[in-house]
Amino acid sequence: AQSVTQLDSQVPVFEEAPVELRCNYSSSVSVYLFWYVQYPNQGLQLLLKYLSGSTLVESINGFEAEFNKSQTSFHLRKPSVHISDTAEYFCALLIQGAQKLVFGQGTRLTINP
Amino acid sequence: DTGVSQNPRHKITKRGQNVTFRCDPISEHNRLYWYRQTLGQGPEFLTYFQNEAQLEKSRLLSDRFSAERPKGSFSTLEIQRTEQGDSAMYLCASGLVPETQYFGPGTRLLVL
Repeated sequence: AQSVTQLDSQVPVFEEAPVELRCNYSSSVSVYLFWYVQYPNQGLQLLLKYLSGSTLVESINGFEAEFNKSQTSFHLRKPSVHISDTAEYFCALLIQGAQKLVFGQGTRLTINP
Repeated sequence: DTGVSQNPRHKITKRGQNVTFRCDPISEHNRLYWYRQTLGQGPEFLTYFQNEAQLEKSRLLSDRFSAERPKGSFSTLEIQRTEQGDSAMYLCASGLVPETQYFGPGTRLLVL
């Protein structure tokens, strides 16, 4: 069975500090990988995804994630966070050819001024 | 394109009552998904429609749960004889391909 593990349930950081949210996955077949963000009282929004090609993918608001097949990881990073980045972040996988997303437990990112 | 909409946004019900939620996908999206998110957890897949056909159901979808998508447009999710364990956020998503799923704001259900 496929699974996603987000190693940190909460990550507090200071504004303008760098952050890394960790995600590891388990699958015996090829997968696509995603990061979703959920702001308070809102639905999930796609932040970035890895389907193929370059293993480093970027979002429009400065986040990036790197697909590492040997480490089965897809960690999310940002060099300098803002208060507006406060949200819950979910890592997810999709088995190639399947329909359903499999999500991790989420990481709550809290930015302190 | 107004995005995926869900109604109601919040529902409080008493144990044993039936509830129905509605999801309106982005127009022309042939794929529609339901997920459930409990407190402190990531969303879990419930069911998937392609047009009006329900093609996949999770084991989480007990016989008290039923979902429909008549005419391949909006979808409803009904829970019969609600239990306290049904309290959760019910999320709907739609898309043209499974790699791109657009989520609605969700319906938060509280069963007392």
